[in-house]
Amino acid sequence: AQSVSQHNHHVILSEAASLELGCNYSYGGTVNLFWYVQYPGQHLQLLLKYFSGDPLVKGIKGFEAEFIKSKFSFNLRKPSVQWSDTAEYFCAVTLDSNYQLIWGAGTKLIIKP
Amino acid sequence: KAGVTQTPRYLIKTRGQQVTLSCSPISGHRSVSWYQQTPGQGLQFLFEYFSETQRNKGNFPGRFSGRQFSNSRSEMNVSTLELGDSALYLCASSPGQGTIWGYTFGSGTRLTVV
Repeated sequence: AQSVSQHNHHVILSEAASLELGCNYSYGGTVNLFWYVQYPGQHLQLLLKYFSGDPLVKGIKGFEAEFIKSKFSFNLRKPSVQWSDTAEYFCAVTLDSNYQLIWGAGTKLIIKP
Repeated sequence: KAGVTQTPRYLIKTRGQQVTLSCSPISGHRSVSWYQQTPGQGLQFLFEYFSETQRNKGNFPGRFSGRQFSNSRSEMNVSTLELGDSALYLCASSPGQGTIWGYTFGSGTRLTVV
């Protein structure tokens, strides 16, 4: 069955550190890729998405992600994190023309001030 | 413009009862999807509605059903509640069917079954 893996369930960083959260999916066909963020007590918000074109996608709040098709990966990056980036981050994909989002388990990110 | 509105925010029900959750999408959005979020299973797709028709369904038992009205508002119903149905139920809306527009999520309804 198709799946999405987020290898790190918890990440703790200090402010100004660089961030990379891994996301891998298992599907050989066409995918659309998403990163969502859930701040404490808030609803899921879209950080960025990839449908086609430039595999390096820039999103809100200084986040970016790179789609590497050969590695089935869509890792999220930020060069310098802030305390306000403390949240849970979810990677999700849709497959071909099926519109349901398949989610990773999420990564809880804690930024120490 | 107003976001996706889900009501109620919190709900406590007893095993065996049924429950109806409501979702009002962003004005002009015609697609509504429902997801279940639990600590153990994470986020799982329930179903998607577009133009009052269910277009896609996840792997949930028939006790989970839904519908969409002509104004795009959607309801989700769970009958014969089980303890394992305790979860955060999220609704997401999109302008059209498909993912190219992305989805906007509501804050969810937290259902506790006792």
